[in-house]
Amino acid sequence: DAEITQSPRHKITETGRQVTLACHQTWNHNNMFWYRQDLGHGLRLIHYSYGVHDTNKGEVSDGYSVSRSNTEDLPLTLESAASSQTSVYFCASSVGQINSPLHFGNGTRLTVT
Amino acid sequence: DQQVKQNSPSLSVQEGRISILNCDYTNSMFDYFLWYKKYPAEGPTFLISISSIKDKNEDGRFTVFLNKSAKHLSLHIVPSQPGDSAVYFCAASPLNSGNTPLVFGKGTRLSVIA
Repeated sequence: DAEITQSPRHKITETGRQVTLACHQTWNHNNMFWYRQDLGHGLRLIHYSYGVHDTNKGEVSDGYSVSRSNTEDLPLTLESAASSQTSVYFCASSVGQINSPLHFGNGTRLTVT
Repeated sequence: DQQVKQNSPSLSVQEGRISILNCDYTNSMFDYFLWYKKYPAEGPTFLISISSIKDKNEDGRFTVFLNKSAKHLSLHIVPSQPGDSAVYFCAASPLNSGNTPLVFGKGTRLSVIA
């Protein structure tokens, strides 16, 4: 069965370190998204991509970057981790049709100490 | 400025009763709305959607109502079951303005008490 996988599931890192969270989908979806979930804020969009070599900034993109070198993967990089980036991160994908439902991964819980 | 608002952070309902989760939006360009359900330690999963050409969409125990003039939608779960206990997110986007990402509300935690 097609799926979307995030790794690692849990990560603890120190302030200032570079961290990369992986997202891999086997749906062959064009669209991929990164969200963060925080108490009191719900799901907020970080970055998204509509295809290979396409990336776009979301609502809370500062301090994060993504690259899309193939259809299956959209890694999220925290250039210099900050305590404010402690959160649960969700990757999602969708077919390229307008407003097709998102398929989410199970999340990565990141703690920055 | 929050474009999709879920003003009730939590809701408790007895098993067998109706659960009503509410969502308001401010952007008049929104014309496609979705509800997602999220269990702990899992990603959100799509539950039900509605476009602005309809005012009701039903799928089993789940019904979404849309009141465009009030910019309000609600999710009804009847009858509620303990397995429905989860966080529910309302999401919206403009249907006809390209591939615009969904905007999510903050979520409502539903607890169904047996």
